[in-house]
Amino acid sequence: GAGVSQSPRYKVTKRGQDVALRCDPISGHVSLYWYRQALGQGPEFLTYFNYEAQQDKSGLPNDRFSAERPEGSISTLTIQRTEQRDSAMYRCASSRQENTEAFFGQGTRLTVV
Amino acid sequence: QQPVQSPQAVILREGEDAVINCSSSKALYSVHWYRQKHGEAPVFLMILLKGGEQMRHEKISASFNEKKQQSSLYLTASQLSYSGTYFCGTGIPTGYALNFGKGTSLLVTP
Repeated sequence: GAGVSQSPRYKVTKRGQDVALRCDPISGHVSLYWYRQALGQGPEFLTYFNYEAQQDKSGLPNDRFSAERPEGSISTLTIQRTEQRDSAMYRCASSRQENTEAFFGQGTRLTVV
Repeated sequence: QQPVQSPQAVILREGEDAVINCSSSKALYSVHWYRQKHGEAPVFLMILLKGGEQMRHEKISASFNEKKQQSSLYLTASQLSYSGTYFCGTGIPTGYALNFGKGTSLLVTP
């Protein structure tokens, strides 16, 4: 596609529910990253993939968070048993390869009520 | 591991210059600079790699001092369009996990 596409743009969920956030990277981009950004803060690293392999998941806050990229293209970030503290903007980015220009998506604004 | 940016905020008149600094307590492999406008996604400005040259993007340039584990972003003859929040992201040699600073808010006024 023309840019990194994330869906949904906005998600309101009740505490305790599971949510799945989708990222469709730029076609041909090998590397895909997930970040979380609180208002007024910089993006906080969560995890990243090269192709379908999850290279680093050290930023995932706890085991309720998981991510996959089964075919090396679209990725899903799943949050189980959501809590209010999970409310944030979740951003996905992709790049041709590591250490090259990364393009960010518009993000998914998650609100847990 | 989060890099430290300074200053936190700066206000400029159009045409003035500014410097934004980014420092890390860990050895760095790369520094990435992004600009984010309110309500939008961060947009890439430039990457500086260890052993690489000083980079330039229009009238914005950046340097990377590997020994001091620091990078500086230089905005020359600022334009209104430069307003936004600037983030540095640092990469370490043992992996690629960009850690971003808290950002520097820049406002350019007429």
